[in-house]
Amino acid sequence: DIVLTQSPGTLSLSPGERATLSCRASQSVSSSYLAWYQQKPGQAPRLLIYGASNRATGIPDRFSGSGSGTDFTLTISRLEPEDFAVYYCQQYGSSPRTFGQGTKVEIK
Amino acid sequence: EVQLLESGGGLAQPGGSLRLSCAASGFTFGSYAMTWVRQAPGKGLEWVSTISGSGGSTYYADSVKGRFTISRDNSKNTLYLQVSSLRAEDTATYYCAKDWGSYGHYYFDCWGQGILVTVSS
Repeated sequence: DIVLTQSPGTLSLSPGERATLSCRASQSVSSSYLAWYQQKPGQAPRLLIYGASNRATGIPDRFSGSGSGTDFTLTISRLEPEDFAVYYCQQYGSSPRTFGQGTKVEIK
Repeated sequence: EVQLLESGGGLAQPGGSLRLSCAASGFTFGSYAMTWVRQAPGKGLEWVSTISGSGGSTYYADSVKGRFTISRDNSKNTLYLQVSSLRAEDTATYYCAKDWGSYGHYYFDCWGQGILVTVSS
């Protein structure tokens, strides 16, 4: 199974700052089949990014994804109050599909 | 608008069973694979099981194989997960999710609100 390791575990930032979240895979993720989800307390996850860099429908352009192979990044260019949440990466290039353990973005 | 609504969760004893349901609307249900993902309290997300659009193919995580059964009724636009031989470690919120993608590689573009299953005596 592909293990996804997200870092940091917690990111403490202020609104307006830039957030950079990392997702590292234990082996190469084929064809950049990597997605990012946002989850707020008490809510279901929401798809943000698929194919490593494609924003899902309705996702603001302050969210961007990049990377390939084993190293992927989610960047939030300027944090809005509603962006403070937990973010998960997920690979869907190999079975079983696996998730990272999550990065919490909290208000500093 | 795509909607997924889970039901059937609750408290079960160790060794017990429950049947979770997920009612879907807003899309052609039978055209899409569907998946159950779970999240233990305060923990991350874990893929549990996937079923193809026709229902002819099913897939399970090793942690639930032989104990959980995924199924669907396309005439009722409903996905099911029969959870049996429950263990304390099965305590989690269970989400149904719609698969989307291509060429055999699918992510989850829509999620239900989740249903809590608690396994305790």
